[in-house]
Amino acid sequence: KNEVEQSPQNLTAQEGEFITINCSYSVGISALHWLQQHPGGGIVSLFMLSSGKKKHGRLIATINIQEKHSSLHITASHPRDSAVYICAVRSAGFQKLVFGTGTRLLVSP
Amino acid sequence: EPEVTQTPSHQVTQMGQEVILRCVPISNHLYFYWYRQILGQKVEFLVSFYNNEISEKSEIFDDQFSVERPDGSNFTLKIRSTKLEDSAMYFCASRLDREYEQYFGPGTRLTVT
Repeated sequence: KNEVEQSPQNLTAQEGEFITINCSYSVGISALHWLQQHPGGGIVSLFMLSSGKKKHGRLIATINIQEKHSSLHITASHPRDSAVYICAVRSAGFQKLVFGTGTRLLVSP
Repeated sequence: EPEVTQTPSHQVTQMGQEVILRCVPISNHLYFYWYRQILGQKVEFLVSFYNNEISEKSEIFDDQFSVERPDGSNFTLKIRSTKLEDSAMYFCASRLDREYEQYFGPGTRLTVT
């Protein structure tokens, strides 16, 4: 079983729709990261969470430590949000990030 | 805004050759990382580096790999004798301190022929 599971693997949406991407993990963590990877390959850090909820613009990330689950929400989605969204966790006591396989999002106009 | 830079953006090399991938982390950051992503697969951790030494490494990071911070600004990944399966995108990342987020470079695409 993978340490980090994301769903869905692929997601298509119409511009303006509310989007949710889910991440479940199996280990105790010190932090969870949401990352965005564009078609060119570059990775951008969106959020780092250890508890609760964070918001940045149209993006919201939540984490439930007891349930080992996190969600990334995009409100009023836009074609420029099209990218791969990756969940990654840092286990307690370790430096390394363990990555999920990513969710490929395509937002159509 | 400060950013992590990597050179070259694309490197083509023949199997068995040595390659050095270069990264310039954000200047006041203390933790440095290399990751790789084979085409179509997820990102994998290779190594972390702190206080001029390796703090953690993965099973992938065998004796063929080494890292160095030669001059206080560059952070390099060397692959001594490249194999076809080393073809991947290699990302460098840096972090200010343990509880801060990581900043990723744009990546170097390594193609081994």
